[in-house]
Amino acid sequence: DTGVSQDPRHKITKRGQNVTFRCDPISEHNRLYWYRQTLGQGPEFLTYFQNEAQLEKSRLLSDRFSAERPKGSFSTLEIQRTEQGDSAMYLCASSLGGAGANVLTFGAGSRLTVL
Amino acid sequence: AQRVTQPEKLLSVFKGAPVELKCNYSYSGSPELFWYVQYSRQRLQLLLRHISRESIKGFTADLNKGETSFHLKKPFAQEEDSAMYYCALSSYSGGGADGLTFGKGTHLIIQP
Repeated sequence: DTGVSQDPRHKITKRGQNVTFRCDPISEHNRLYWYRQTLGQGPEFLTYFQNEAQLEKSRLLSDRFSAERPKGSFSTLEIQRTEQGDSAMYLCASSLGGAGANVLTFGAGSRLTVL
Repeated sequence: AQRVTQPEKLLSVFKGAPVELKCNYSYSGSPELFWYVQYSRQRLQLLLRHISRESIKGFTADLNKGETSFHLKKPFAQEEDSAMYYCALSSYSGGGADGLTFGKGTHLIIQP
């Protein structure tokens, strides 16, 4: 296990296109988080899963964003009809539950550029 | 709503000097506080959490509920401490269901 993996690392797309990011968490971690980070800002929470259940969604997550974790392992984050304001680094993180719930292991991120 | 404030975007100190990175939070309940660090070309990673009460890489941080602060300190800075530091807050302990709220970060530069 090499930690949290994210794919692709970089994505350039035109406004209006759909994009999908994938995250493979640490195998024994049952929690998976998505964050978004823009230049000069800290990571902003988008959503999180415990196993396959999506338990929390931020108000930042508009209807164009959808996340899944179908078998409680990898997760996908899809952005439909991308806008220039969606340009950001999308970070995935995973953690154990219980006392370790907030000890997050982050991936390297997927950088999205919307032209 | 919970909020984390890191007043300094950039902090530059000389090697061997003391370092203090400031973090203030607003939250009405009982928070759990963290410091995460991102070294150049590396991933964001946990540095320390307040409930552990431990020193990591010479850094310590004490939660001051009266002042709603969680400042990160190190008595003698080293060049390898240069990095981006983020303070983060969770409104739950041991099973948070809301994710972490991060500050905007402080870029620490240690000059030789």
